Amino acid sequence: DQQVKQNSPSLSVQEGRISILNCDYTNSMFDYFLWYKKYPAEGPTFLISISSIKDKNEDGRFTVFLNKSAKHLSLHIVPSQPGDSAVYFCAASLPPSHNAGNNRKLIWGLGTSLAVNP
Amino acid sequence: NAGVMQNPRHLVRRRGQEARLRCSPMKGHSHVYWYRQLPEEGLKFMVYLQKENIIDESGMPKERFSAEFPKEGPSILRIQQVVRGDSAAYFCATAPGQYNEKLFFGSGTQLSVL
Repeated sequence: DQQVKQNSPSLSVQEGRISILNCDYTNSMFDYFLWYKKYPAEGPTFLISISSIKDKNEDGRFTVFLNKSAKHLSLHIVPSQPGDSAVYFCAASLPPSHNAGNNRKLIWGLGTSLAVNP
Repeated sequence: NAGVMQNPRHLVRRRGQEARLRCSPMKGHSHVYWYRQLPEEGLKFMVYLQKENIIDESGMPKERFSAEFPKEGPSILRIQQVVRGDSAAYFCATAPGQYNEKLFFGSGTQLSVL
């Protein structure tokens, strides 16, 4: 029962071009979405997030778009750089009241491995 | 990842042995999450703890797994009588509060069961 889906296991992009990573979800109760980046042998690092009350959030080269009606979000990286090569995870969170102790546990996609070629 | 310390980085155990994984949160963080990543899978929530309390253990296997976060010292994830299927990367993530969506992760412990 994969509530957060990243259907592309891998993506290859040329340096300087745009990278678009996609994520679909099934639970309309999710109210917060996050993107994490992970290098081999390291833990995930927070990249950018978006609340369900917004449809776009931008931070430098990274922009996340949320389409609630389609239950879809995407991460745009422009321009892509070789150092962006990593695995990108999409994660979603239910409102705290849905979880024991009002916590913000995350539900993760399987990740997309991005390779940015020089 | 700086600040959340996990050790050991790599742990090798034979079937039937015990595994103890440690997590020291970032300074000022008193909320700890443990996640497991099996090969070719995404991260799966295991347990959420605050100091001295297990708040949400809905992702923990019913047997052999336990977690604690004592008043002093690191959080411990303990796996008794390990089996090959326990081989995975175990990540600890911490936050300053229970409502924080943004988590800070350690580098993980790679558990290999022979």
